[in-house]
Amino acid sequence: EAGVAQSPRYKIIEKRQSVAFWCNPISGHATLYWYQQILGQGPKLLIQFQNNGVVDDSQLPKDRFSAERLKGVDSTLKIQPAKLEDSAVYLCASSLEWVNEQFFGPGTRLTVL
Amino acid sequence: AQKITQTQPGMFVQEKEAVTLDCTYDTSDPSYGLFWYKQPSSGEMIFLIYQGSYDQQNATEGRYSLNFQKARKSANLVISASQLGDSAMYFCAMRSMNYGGSQGNLIFGKGTKLSVKP
Repeated sequence: EAGVAQSPRYKIIEKRQSVAFWCNPISGHATLYWYQQILGQGPKLLIQFQNNGVVDDSQLPKDRFSAERLKGVDSTLKIQPAKLEDSAVYLCASSLEWVNEQFFGPGTRLTVL
Repeated sequence: AQKITQTQPGMFVQEKEAVTLDCTYDTSDPSYGLFWYKQPSSGEMIFLIYQGSYDQQNATEGRYSLNFQKARKSANLVISASQLGDSAMYFCAMRSMNYGGSQGNLIFGKGTKLSVKP
């Protein structure tokens, strides 16, 4: 069974630029999560999708971050414009349903200069 | 609000010995789940073990066991017979299991860096 795929693995941009991350969850998984993990901390949920609907985006900085999950499969997370404090690892996870175990992808390490 | 506390920023253990990683939690939900994840330097979060708040017995998965003390709100991870490959960050996490709550949202602690010495 293929795991959660993410791309790119690494990205370096300058502040005020825009960036997009892509996630392909495990086939058949209805629930998809984006987490932000700042160095030295545990991951923090940014947004949770159930199929193609948003369940929780209360911690998503909506003035600069956006996410979508078209057709309830792949998802993209965008930052525009990026700030220095957005430097972090962005982890995508998926689960069969919200009650099930979450499987994480390898993450995208973003550096904002 | 839910909160996870991991008080050990770093731990050292000799190869083949057992080690306990501490985790305390705070929640007002009657039904919740507790998780431990391993994060090697490659960055991927690897699920290790799960304990439900109503489970009567402590969870075990191979060399991993969870010492669940509900009254003390602690969920410590015990790794037996440590191996060099166990060197990594370890995160304790919890989530509500109540419908209508933050469904599925994992709350993580700050992690403990475990180093296994040969």
